[in-house]
Amino acid sequence: GESVGLHLPTLSVQEGDNSIINCAYSNSASDYFIWYKQESGKGPQFIIDIRSNMDKRQGQRVTVLLNKTVKHLSLQIAATQPGDSAVYFCAENEGTSYDKVIFGPGTSLSVIP
Amino acid sequence: AAGVIQSPRHLIKEKRETATLKCYPIPRHDTVYWYQQGPGQDPQFLISFYEKMQSDKGSIPDRFSAQQFSDYHSELNMSSLELGDSALYFCASSSRLVGRPDTQYFGPGTRLTVL
Repeated sequence: GESVGLHLPTLSVQEGDNSIINCAYSNSASDYFIWYKQESGKGPQFIIDIRSNMDKRQGQRVTVLLNKTVKHLSLQIAATQPGDSAVYFCAENEGTSYDKVIFGPGTSLSVIP
Repeated sequence: AAGVIQSPRHLIKEKRETATLKCYPIPRHDTVYWYQQGPGQDPQFLISFYEKMQSDKGSIPDRFSAQQFSDYHSELNMSSLELGDSALYFCASSSRLVGRPDTQYFGPGTRLTVL
């Protein structure tokens, strides 16, 4: 079935550098995407979302880019800090249901001090 | 700010036993969602409730049932537990928006271990 998936399972970055986490999705009908951060032993934490009528959205130190042509989503973290170390999930909200959030496999981000 | 509360945080059960997980949504949130996350896996949507009615259903086994009560808290009941049910169970809550997806806020999870 259609799903959301991530390109890389792990990512290591130097503290202070920018991080880019990528995600590919296959459901062309998806119209809402979310990035979650999950620290060890905790629940997923909402970071930022974007609807399909946008191609970029910025938050505090984070930017999400959406390329509908190639069905690609990315999360950019500026000036990565040790506290950013976590597993990051991109998730897709199915167009037929506002409830069902489909998570892709996570990317583990490690920040090197 | 108040967050989603889940209890218990840890639960150990034997095979074929039953378990009940509880979720208390953020105040004024009317929708709750349940997810299951196996070791090293992404969370899988199980079921959701809006205003005490089942709203959507995902990959929830027939051995599991859930409900939302008048105070909006929800309980996930799991019977005939199997080893494969060992996982983290997350509850999320949201305030239903008309015509657009809600932002779901997750609780800390209940870690269920079936022996």
